[in-house]
Amino acid sequence: AQSVAQPEDQVKVAEGNPLTVKCTYSVSGNPYLFWYVQYPNRGLQFLLKYITGDNLVKGSYGFEAEFNKSQTSFHLKKPSALVSDSALYFCAVRDPLGAGGSYIPTFGRGTSLIVHP
Amino acid sequence: GAVVSQHPSRVICKSGTSVKIECRSLDFQATTMFWYRQFPKKSLMLMATSNEGSKATYEQGVEKDKFLINHASLTLSTLTVTSAHPEDSSFYICSARDDSLLGIQYFGAGTRLSVL
Repeated sequence: AQSVAQPEDQVKVAEGNPLTVKCTYSVSGNPYLFWYVQYPNRGLQFLLKYITGDNLVKGSYGFEAEFNKSQTSFHLKKPSALVSDSALYFCAVRDPLGAGGSYIPTFGRGTSLIVHP
Repeated sequence: GAVVSQHPSRVICKSGTSVKIECRSLDFQATTMFWYRQFPKKSLMLMATSNEGSKATYEQGVEKDKFLINHASLTLSTLTVTSAHPEDSSFYICSARDDSLLGIQYFGAGTRLSVL
């Protein structure tokens, strides 16, 4: 079975400071990992993915995420936060082999990011 | 990037009526589409997985007779909420998975359903 955890319900940072939104996962094989962002009353927007290759993945809007296999983590990061980054962030994991019914991705509960001026 | 169009964005209806929500992948083919319901405390609940040309697979606890899903083509899936009741009021989001190898999911903008 696959699972994903976003341990923080909310993250608050000051504008200009670096931000990190945490995500850990559990999957039987090598994972496909994704980050999405959701603005109020909107659907989710794809930010970035890790499939294979470099552990540091760069995505949209200056975001990046680091895949750490030993810690089973895929934390989302940005060097300098903007007020406009305030939104809901979802991490998702999928087992590419679809083993055990995990062909469907599993989403975390979401982390609310608040960037204050 | 890939675009998924979801329509309508907002609908208000009377109790007992049916509402249809459309989800289209505009620039890619999607054999598989997903329907989610999002609750006020933000978590996404997967309702069903829709596969083109076959019956949808519903998650446990989701009434298939109430939430009718049709995936008639590689770019269109519809969700019909039949005999809607106030407790069906929610934010419904569709998602389409790109049929390419990476299988990234792209999401529609969501539909806010309010049943009076």
